[in-house]
Amino acid sequence: DAGITQSPRHKVTETGTPVTLRCHQTENHRYMYWYRQDPGHGLRLIHYSYGVKDTDKGEVSDGYSVSRSKTEDFLLTLESATSSQTSVYFCAISDSTVNYGYTFGSGTRLTVV
Amino acid sequence: GIQVEQSPPDLILQEGANSTLRCNFSDSVNNLQWFHQNPWGQLINLFYIPSGTKQNGRLSATTVATERYSLLYISSSQTTDSGVYFCAVGSSGSARQLTFGSGTQLTVLP
Repeated sequence: DAGITQSPRHKVTETGTPVTLRCHQTENHRYMYWYRQDPGHGLRLIHYSYGVKDTDKGEVSDGYSVSRSKTEDFLLTLESATSSQTSVYFCAISDSTVNYGYTFGSGTRLTVV
Repeated sequence: GIQVEQSPPDLILQEGANSTLRCNFSDSVNNLQWFHQNPWGQLINLFYIPSGTKQNGRLSATTVATERYSLLYISSSQTTDSGVYFCAVGSSGSARQLTFGSGTQLTVLP
């Protein structure tokens, strides 16, 4: 209902294969984020974007890359998936106005075998 | 980086009880948000509250930025309140990038 969707919702992939997760928003928000959630670590920021083609690294960016060629889409790529990247991945958006409040997508559960 | 500590880690209540969840943070913040993660994994934004007090129905939150803590109050709890409550903060240098606490697991019994 918030206009943010993630795909796929679930994915199983093999070690060493590339994987791309997609975040799509219809809110025209400037800021987009990718987080991963793991037991014992909570949510940690992987990468974020502050505009088209403007991205930066977060706390746990090693092994991940991102791209944002359109306002509405933010892609997260695992170039060569490893078992340590098994996690639940959440995308979030926020507006550029004074309120920094996040809206999260439903998450993608990724299993690397 | 900034540290975020939430307490208690676990809380079990009877339906109708009230509760207070606490979030302590180690540095000044320009951004503080509370989220509820329901049993299906969905993360819902409850409050954006870098300072002051806000209320939304049975939930309210207070942030005392000068003393580096925030409180989330849940009154007349319902079973649908069960889940994990996260506090997340953004420091003055990177306000939009949130650092999350480990959460409080709330279970409300019927």
